[in-house]
Amino acid sequence: GENVEQHPSTLSVQEGDSAVIKCTYSDSASNYFPWYKQELGKRPQLIIDIRSNVGEKKDQRIAVTLNKTAKHFSLHITETQPEDSAVYFCAAMYSGGGADGLTFGKGTHLIIQP
Amino acid sequence: NAGVTQTPKFRILKIGQSMTLQCAQDMNHNYMYWYRQDPGMGLKLIYYSVGAGITDKGEVPNGYNVSRSTTEDFPLRLELAAPSQTSVYFCASSYSAVGNTEAFFGQGTRLTVV
Repeated sequence: GENVEQHPSTLSVQEGDSAVIKCTYSDSASNYFPWYKQELGKRPQLIIDIRSNVGEKKDQRIAVTLNKTAKHFSLHITETQPEDSAVYFCAAMYSGGGADGLTFGKGTHLIIQP
Repeated sequence: NAGVTQTPKFRILKIGQSMTLQCAQDMNHNYMYWYRQDPGMGLKLIYYSVGAGITDKGEVPNGYNVSRSTTEDFPLRLELAAPSQTSVYFCASSYSAVGNTEAFFGQGTRLTVV
């Protein structure tokens, strides 16, 4: 099955600086890579996703890049704000049986220092 | 529009007891999933379903059972609760396979087995 590694586990940045979270995946068949944000005690919510036919996608301060050859993808947050503080999960689509399930990384706790 | 609704939000079980975690969605999604999230870890897929009457095992199915008698409901059953099942459980749904559309999560069920 798919295996997703995520780094770092904790990331502390100054407000206004950029944050980068990296993930690698093992299954070359994976073709969908979403990023979820989970605030304390709340459910994960999709913030951005990318498919394997695209190398980069941007949505305001958030961008995701994908390198299929190296099997890694990254989340970039620019001009970080206090409300960006949360746990971020990357995921890759796992193919098996008759349906697809998301395989998640272990998460990155992003801390925005004022 | 309620989205994905999970009940209960919190539960304490004694070892050996059984319970059912309820999950319902009102978005007419055909795909539904159960994940568990251990402290400091990502989400692991327990079971999934591609439609009414069809279920399949995910990464960590042992100790759990599911059923999907209707499109809306996807309950998760724990027959003999064990301390290792202490976790936060998330139900999710999507219209089609995850690779094609966003997965929406319920608010989670925090289960403690003592």
